[in-house]
Amino acid sequence: TQLLEQSPQFLSIQEGENLTVYCNSSSVFSSLQWYRQEPGEGPVLLVTVVTGGEVKKLKRLTFQFGDARKDSSLHITAAQPGDTGLYLCAGSADSWGKLQFGAGTQVVVTP
Amino acid sequence: KAGVTQTPRYLIKTRGQQVTLSCSPISGHRSVSWYQQTPGQGLQFLFEYFSETQRNKGNFPGRFSGRQFSNSRSEMNVSTLELGDSALYLCASTPSGGRRADTQYFGPGTRLTVL
Repeated sequence: TQLLEQSPQFLSIQEGENLTVYCNSSSVFSSLQWYRQEPGEGPVLLVTVVTGGEVKKLKRLTFQFGDARKDSSLHITAAQPGDTGLYLCAGSADSWGKLQFGAGTQVVVTP
Repeated sequence: KAGVTQTPRYLIKTRGQQVTLSCSPISGHRSVSWYQQTPGQGLQFLFEYFSETQRNKGNFPGRFSGRQFSNSRSEMNVSTLELGDSALYLCASTPSGGRRADTQYFGPGTRLTVL
């Protein structure tokens, strides 16, 4: 089983601060997805990274896929209360229709 | 395009009952995966269907079953409900049918509470 470890588990910051969430594995993934989930709702896709070393930016969010395709990070610049949510990374495993999810990082941004 | 829809959104059942949850994927998506999400275990893969065939199954007891129809809509069924089945059940669809799971798009989920 390919396991994904996310850190930290919980992050509480003030509006305007920066934050980084990490997703690590000992296995290689062909692609990796980041999702944000709000209470009682399904995960919403933020980005998919495919190429080792790839960096993608989505407004204030920057995603990086490690060169060896074993790890990824999500960096948020100048966080806003609307960024509050559970951030999940998921790796594409060699298994029909199955994404391997990390346990998630709960981010709380207070005004 | 409309997103993934799931019905019902909320369900309350008692132990021993059975329940059926429904999922309509994004138009054109033929692969549908189901996950169970609980605070302690996170997202756990239940099964995946493609062209009405179950291609993959997670480590859940036989009380959990599913099916897919010719229009790609999918249902999952849980029989003889237990308290531990209380969870958010998520359905996800993906446009491709390749062995390596592609980017998945999730529905809002069905919150099942077993009393």
